[in-house]
Amino acid sequence: DSGVTQTPKHLITATGQRVTLRCSPRSGDLSVYWYQQSLDQGLQFLIQYYNGEERAKGNILERFSAQQFPDLHSELNLSSLELGDSALYFCASSVAGGPLTGELFFGEGSRLTVL
Amino acid sequence: ILNVEQSPQSLHVQEGDSTNFTCSFPSSNFYALHWYRWETAKSPEALFVMTLNGDEKKKGRISATLNTKEGYSYLYIKGSQPEDSATYLCAFNNQGGKLIFGQGTELSVKP
Repeated sequence: DSGVTQTPKHLITATGQRVTLRCSPRSGDLSVYWYQQSLDQGLQFLIQYYNGEERAKGNILERFSAQQFPDLHSELNLSSLELGDSALYFCASSVAGGPLTGELFFGEGSRLTVL
Repeated sequence: ILNVEQSPQSLHVQEGDSTNFTCSFPSSNFYALHWYRWETAKSPEALFVMTLNGDEKKKGRISATLNTKEGYSYLYIKGSQPEDSATYLCAFNNQGGKLIFGQGTELSVKP
């Protein structure tokens, strides 16, 4: 158990809908990272938050948004869903906010299926 | 564009074989190189975080080396066991802060 909690574990929805994925980082970790893993793709970096502020941005679509709350949990909002958004979405946390010399701790992922 | 390449894409070995895989990354603005082990139906778990050129790290039968000047890292598994079957991911961290993952090497160890 990494200490990172993601909900829901599985989600099935229809095209055009909106979903919210939730992540609670490990106790004491200030950074939260979101990654997307689609079929035949590696882990694609979406976005990072550190202590409530956006720190780094990857290839995150404009239909997607995220935030980190004062209690450090984070939410990833996916809207106007398309079939291609079906993927496993991972949240990871770390203590540091800048370039990492410490490891990331991953949650178990949220598997999104868009029908 | 930060590109992290891993080879081979997949590897099938017999129990007891030793094996190694490669991670290639940009050699400029290097900050850290991570290795993760990802078992099916689980989440990735860190093996090593390496920061210095020439670094060598070891955990049991698994070890890794780092060459930041030429932009590569090797992961070695000595005497592979079926429980070593997993996808091994490397991730490159430059001074911009993003941690970019390679596609992984999928290892299958047959008893």
